[in-house]
Amino acid sequence: AQSVTQLGSHVSVSEGALVLLRCNYSSSVPPYLFWYVQYPNQGLQLLLKYTTGATLVKGINGFEAEFKKSETSFHLTKPSAHMSDAAEYFCAVSDRVQGAQKLVFGQGTRLTINP
Amino acid sequence: GAVVSQHPSRVICKSGTSVKIECRSLDFQATTMFWYRQFPKQSLMLMATSNEGSKATYEQGVEKDKFLINHASLTLSTLTVTSAHPEDSSFYICSARARGGDLGVQFFGPGTRLTVL
Repeated sequence: AQSVTQLGSHVSVSEGALVLLRCNYSSSVPPYLFWYVQYPNQGLQLLLKYTTGATLVKGINGFEAEFKKSETSFHLTKPSAHMSDAAEYFCAVSDRVQGAQKLVFGQGTRLTINP
Repeated sequence: GAVVSQHPSRVICKSGTSVKIECRSLDFQATTMFWYRQFPKQSLMLMATSNEGSKATYEQGVEKDKFLINHASLTLSTLTVTSAHPEDSSFYICSARARGGDLGVQFFGPGTRLTVL
Protein backbone atom coordinates (compact mmCIF):
# COMPACT_ATOMS: atom_id res chain seq x y z
CA ALA A 1 0.00 0.00 0.00
CA GLN A 2 1.11 3.50 -0.72
CA SER A 3 1.60 6.10 1.96
CA VAL A 4 2.80 9.68 2.27
CA THR A 5 4.51 11.35 5.19
CA GLN A 6 4.85 15.10 5.47
CA LEU A 7 7.40 16.12 8.06
CA GLY A 8 6.14 19.04 10.07
CA SER A 9 2.46 19.81 10.41
CA HIS A 10 3.30 23.49 10.68
CA VAL A 11 6.07 25.47 9.02
CA SER A 12 6.65 29.16 9.61
CA VAL A 13 9.00 31.33 7.53
CA SER A 14 9.60 35.02 7.06
CA GLU A 15 8.49 36.82 3.96
CA GLY A 16 11.28 36.54 1.37
CA ALA A 17 12.81 33.46 2.96
CA LEU A 18 13.17 30.01 1.45
CA VAL A 19 10.19 27.71 1.75
CA LEU A 20 10.90 23.99 2.19
CA LEU A 21 8.07 21.54 2.77
CA ARG A 22 9.09 17.92 3.14
CA CYS A 23 7.36 14.89 1.68
CA ASN A 24 8.41 11.25 1.74
CA TYR A 25 6.46 8.45 0.16
CA SER A 26 6.26 4.71 0.32
CA SER A 27 5.37 2.77 -2.79
CA SER A 28 6.28 -0.59 -4.27
CA VAL A 29 6.58 0.93 -7.73
CA PRO A 30 7.55 4.45 -8.84
CA PRO A 31 4.45 6.51 -8.27
CA TYR A 32 2.99 9.68 -9.63
CA LEU A 33 3.59 12.50 -7.14
CA PHE A 34 1.64 15.68 -6.58
CA TRP A 35 1.59 18.79 -4.46
CA TYR A 36 -1.73 20.52 -3.83
CA VAL A 37 -2.47 23.77 -1.98
CA GLN A 38 -5.63 24.47 -0.01
CA TYR A 39 -6.71 27.93 1.04
CA PRO A 40 -9.18 28.26 3.95
CA ASN A 41 -12.61 26.78 3.25
CA GLN A 42 -11.69 25.96 -0.32
CA GLY A 43 -10.93 22.87 -2.35
CA LEU A 44 -7.48 21.84 -3.46
CA GLN A 45 -5.51 23.40 -6.28
CA LEU A 46 -2.76 21.52 -8.11
CA LEU A 47 0.66 23.12 -7.68
CA LEU A 48 2.75 20.63 -9.62
CA LYS A 49 3.14 16.97 -10.46
CA TYR A 50 5.75 14.40 -11.37
CA THR A 51 4.87 11.50 -13.62
CA THR A 52 7.98 10.79 -15.66
CA GLY A 53 11.00 12.48 -17.19
CA ALA A 54 12.83 15.36 -15.56
CA THR A 55 12.96 14.91 -11.82
CA LEU A 56 12.86 18.63 -11.07
CA VAL A 57 9.39 19.90 -11.80
CA LYS A 58 8.23 23.48 -11.77
CA GLY A 59 4.74 24.49 -10.81
CA ILE A 60 2.61 27.54 -10.37
CA ASN A 61 3.36 30.48 -8.11
CA GLY A 62 7.12 29.89 -8.24
CA PHE A 63 7.06 26.50 -6.52
CA GLU A 64 9.14 23.54 -7.60
CA ALA A 65 9.77 20.02 -6.35
CA GLU A 66 12.40 17.38 -6.98
CA PHE A 67 11.72 13.67 -7.20
CA LYS A 68 14.54 11.74 -5.53
CA LYS A 69 14.00 8.04 -5.96
CA SER A 70 16.93 7.04 -3.73
CA GLU A 71 15.47 9.08 -0.88
CA THR A 72 11.80 8.38 -1.74
CA SER A 73 11.24 12.10 -1.40
CA PHE A 74 9.41 14.86 -3.23
CA HIS A 75 10.12 18.03 -1.26
CA LEU A 76 8.48 21.30 -2.25
CA THR A 77 10.50 24.51 -2.38
CA LYS A 78 10.14 28.16 -3.23
CA PRO A 79 13.11 30.53 -3.13
CA SER A 80 11.26 33.53 -1.71
CA ALA A 81 8.06 33.33 0.29
CA HIS A 82 5.17 35.73 -0.25
CA MET A 83 2.40 36.49 2.21
CA SER A 84 -0.05 34.99 -0.27
CA ASP A 85 1.66 31.60 0.08
CA ALA A 86 0.11 31.10 3.51
CA ALA A 87 -2.07 28.01 3.14
CA GLU A 88 -2.24 24.27 3.76
CA TYR A 89 -0.09 22.13 1.48
CA PHE A 90 -0.70 18.47 0.73
CA CYS A 91 1.63 15.98 -0.87
CA ALA A 92 -0.10 13.09 -2.63
CA VAL A 93 0.85 9.88 -4.38
CA SER A 94 -0.95 7.84 -7.00
CA ASP A 95 -0.03 4.51 -8.49
CA ARG A 96 0.62 3.89 -12.15
CA VAL A 97 -2.11 1.32 -12.59
CA GLN A 98 -4.62 2.29 -15.23
CA GLY A 99 -8.05 3.06 -14.02
CA ALA A 100 -9.18 5.18 -11.14
CA GLN A 101 -5.71 6.28 -10.06
CA LYS A 102 -6.70 7.14 -6.55
CA LEU A 103 -4.75 9.75 -4.64
CA VAL A 104 -3.33 9.09 -1.20
CA PHE A 105 -2.67 12.29 0.70
CA GLY A 106 -0.20 13.18 3.38
CA GLN A 107 -1.45 14.79 6.55
CA GLY A 108 -0.74 18.28 5.30
CA THR A 109 1.59 21.12 6.30
CA ARG A 110 0.28 24.50 7.28
CA LEU A 111 2.57 27.24 6.00
CA THR A 112 2.60 30.53 7.84
CA ILE A 113 4.42 33.58 6.46
CA ASN A 114 5.69 36.15 8.92
CA PRO A 115 5.95 39.76 7.73
CA GLY B 1 -10.91 25.55 -17.63
CA ALA B 2 -11.30 22.41 -15.50
CA VAL B 3 -13.68 23.91 -12.99
CA VAL B 4 -15.55 21.78 -10.50
CA SER B 5 -18.42 23.21 -8.49
CA GLN B 6 -20.19 21.94 -5.41
CA HIS B 7 -23.59 22.84 -4.06
CA PRO B 8 -24.37 23.76 -1.41
CA SER B 9 -21.21 25.28 0.01
CA ARG B 10 -22.57 25.04 3.51
CA VAL B 11 -25.49 23.17 5.03
CA ILE B 12 -26.86 22.80 8.53
CA CYS B 13 -29.39 20.09 9.21
CA LYS B 14 -31.07 18.32 12.09
CA SER B 15 -30.05 14.88 13.21
CA GLY B 16 -31.91 12.16 11.33
CA THR B 17 -32.45 14.08 8.13
CA SER B 18 -30.78 13.43 4.77
CA VAL B 19 -28.60 15.86 2.89
CA LYS B 20 -27.69 15.83 -0.80
CA ILE B 21 -24.50 17.41 -2.10
CA GLU B 22 -23.97 18.00 -5.80
CA CYS B 23 -20.66 17.97 -7.64
CA ARG B 24 -20.49 19.26 -11.19
CA SER B 25 -17.71 19.52 -13.73
CA LEU B 26 -18.52 22.77 -15.49
CA ASP B 27 -16.37 22.71 -18.58
CA PHE B 28 -15.24 19.14 -19.06
CA GLN B 29 -16.53 15.60 -19.01
CA ALA B 30 -15.60 13.73 -15.87
CA THR B 31 -15.09 10.03 -16.41
CA THR B 32 -14.41 9.49 -12.74
CA MET B 33 -15.41 11.46 -9.68
CA PHE B 34 -14.11 11.06 -6.17
CA TRP B 35 -15.63 11.99 -2.83
CA TYR B 36 -13.43 12.91 0.11
CA ARG B 37 -14.06 13.80 3.71
CA GLN B 38 -11.84 16.19 5.64
CA PHE B 39 -11.96 16.70 9.40
CA PRO B 40 -10.63 19.94 10.88
CA LYS B 41 -6.90 20.30 10.48
CA GLN B 42 -6.62 16.84 8.98
CA SER B 43 -5.96 15.39 5.58
CA LEU B 44 -8.45 14.28 2.96
CA MET B 45 -9.76 10.77 3.30
CA LEU B 46 -11.14 9.13 0.18
CA MET B 47 -14.67 7.87 0.72
CA ALA B 48 -15.57 6.51 -2.70
CA THR B 49 -14.85 6.53 -6.39
CA SER B 50 -17.61 6.74 -8.94
CA ASN B 51 -17.64 6.20 -12.68
CA GLU B 52 -20.45 7.50 -14.85
CA GLY B 53 -23.24 5.00 -15.16
CA SER B 54 -21.87 2.46 -12.73
CA LYS B 55 -21.98 1.81 -9.01
CA ALA B 56 -19.55 3.62 -6.78
CA THR B 57 -16.62 1.83 -5.21
CA TYR B 58 -16.40 2.57 -1.51
CA GLU B 59 -13.27 2.61 0.62
CA GLN B 60 -12.98 0.24 3.52
CA GLY B 61 -14.97 1.43 6.49
CA VAL B 62 -17.30 3.72 4.55
CA GLU B 63 -20.95 2.70 4.80
CA LYS B 64 -22.42 2.61 1.33
CA ASP B 65 -25.97 2.66 2.65
CA LYS B 66 -25.28 5.81 4.60
CA PHE B 67 -23.33 7.67 1.94
CA LEU B 68 -25.24 7.20 -1.29
CA ILE B 69 -23.39 8.20 -4.42
CA ASN B 70 -24.94 8.65 -7.83
CA HIS B 71 -22.96 9.49 -10.96
CA ALA B 72 -25.76 9.91 -13.45
CA SER B 73 -23.92 11.84 -16.12
CA LEU B 74 -20.43 12.83 -17.20
CA THR B 75 -20.81 16.17 -15.45
CA LEU B 76 -22.72 15.40 -12.28
CA SER B 77 -22.22 13.26 -9.20
CA THR B 78 -24.23 13.47 -6.00
CA LEU B 79 -23.48 12.39 -2.46
CA THR B 80 -26.43 11.88 -0.14
CA VAL B 81 -25.77 11.56 3.57
CA THR B 82 -28.73 9.60 4.87
CA SER B 83 -30.02 9.88 8.43
CA ALA B 84 -27.24 12.28 9.29
CA HIS B 85 -25.85 12.41 12.82
CA PRO B 86 -23.53 14.91 14.50
CA GLU B 87 -20.52 12.66 13.86
CA ASP B 88 -21.16 13.10 10.13
CA SER B 89 -20.36 16.79 10.46
CA SER B 90 -17.36 17.41 8.25
CA PHE B 91 -16.03 19.10 5.13
CA TYR B 92 -16.92 17.06 2.05
CA ILE B 93 -14.89 17.60 -1.10
CA CYS B 94 -15.38 16.13 -4.53
CA SER B 95 -12.91 15.87 -7.36
CA ALA B 96 -13.07 14.81 -10.98
CA ARG B 97 -10.81 13.33 -13.60
CA ALA B 98 -11.24 14.58 -17.11
CA ARG B 99 -11.70 12.31 -20.11
CA GLY B 100 -8.32 12.24 -21.80
CA GLY B 101 -6.82 14.40 -19.09
CA ASP B 102 -3.33 14.39 -17.60
CA LEU B 103 -2.36 11.21 -15.85
CA GLY B 104 -3.52 11.14 -12.25
CA VAL B 105 -4.64 14.75 -12.16
CA GLN B 106 -7.86 15.44 -10.29
CA PHE B 107 -9.69 18.77 -10.22
CA PHE B 108 -11.24 19.60 -6.89
CA GLY B 109 -14.44 21.32 -5.96
CA PRO B 110 -14.55 24.04 -3.27
CA GLY B 111 -16.06 21.71 -0.69
CA THR B 112 -19.28 21.54 1.30
CA ARG B 113 -19.31 22.06 5.03
CA LEU B 114 -21.95 19.91 6.68
CA THR B 115 -23.03 20.59 10.23
CA VAL B 116 -25.49 18.19 11.82
CA LEU B 117 -27.18 19.47 14.96
